[in-house]
Amino acid sequence: GENVEQHPSTLSVQEGDSAVIKCTYSDSASNYFPWYKQELGKRPQLIIDIRSNVGEKKDQRIAVTLNKTAKHFSLHITETQPEDSAVYFCAALRAGKSTFGDGTTLTVKP
Amino acid sequence: DTAVSQTPKYLVTQMGNDKSIKCEQNLGHDTMYWYKQDSKKFLKIMFSYNNKELIINETVPNRFSPKSPDKAHLNLHINSLELGDSAVYFCASSQDKKGEAFFGQGTRLTVV
Repeated sequence: GENVEQHPSTLSVQEGDSAVIKCTYSDSASNYFPWYKQELGKRPQLIIDIRSNVGEKKDQRIAVTLNKTAKHFSLHITETQPEDSAVYFCAALRAGKSTFGDGTTLTVKP
Repeated sequence: DTAVSQTPKYLVTQMGNDKSIKCEQNLGHDTMYWYKQDSKKFLKIMFSYNNKELIINETVPNRFSPKSPDKAHLNLHINSLELGDSAVYFCASSQDKKGEAFFGQGTRLTVV
């Protein structure tokens, strides 16, 4: 089955710096790669996603890159703000089954 | 209007009891899921239903039985609850098997 590894498990940055979270997956048939943000005590919510036929996608301060050959994808957050502090999950999906990474706790210090 | 709603939000129960969690989505989605989030925040898929049919059943003890009476509902019944079942259970839905999941607010189950 699919295996998704996510690094780092914790990340602390100063406000205004960039943050990068990386994920690797094992199943080459996975074709959809969402990123979810989960604030403390809340539900996970999609912040950006990418499909296997696209290499990069950007939405304001957030971008995702996908390297299908190497089977890895990354989340980039620029100009971080304290409200970006949360747990971020990557996932790889194939035919109705999402496998999640173990999460990255991002702390943005003011 | 809440898109994916699950009840109850909190559930405290004794070992050995049987309990149910209900989930409803008003998005017209075809696919629904149950996820378990443990104390370390790991999110694991338990079940996936597409048009009321079970398509994914991870290695979940058979004490857990999902039921989908129609496309908009996916309930989770748990028999003989154990301490290790304590977790937050999230229901979610997606338009089809290929896209974004919308999560409910979660049910925090505590088994004592």
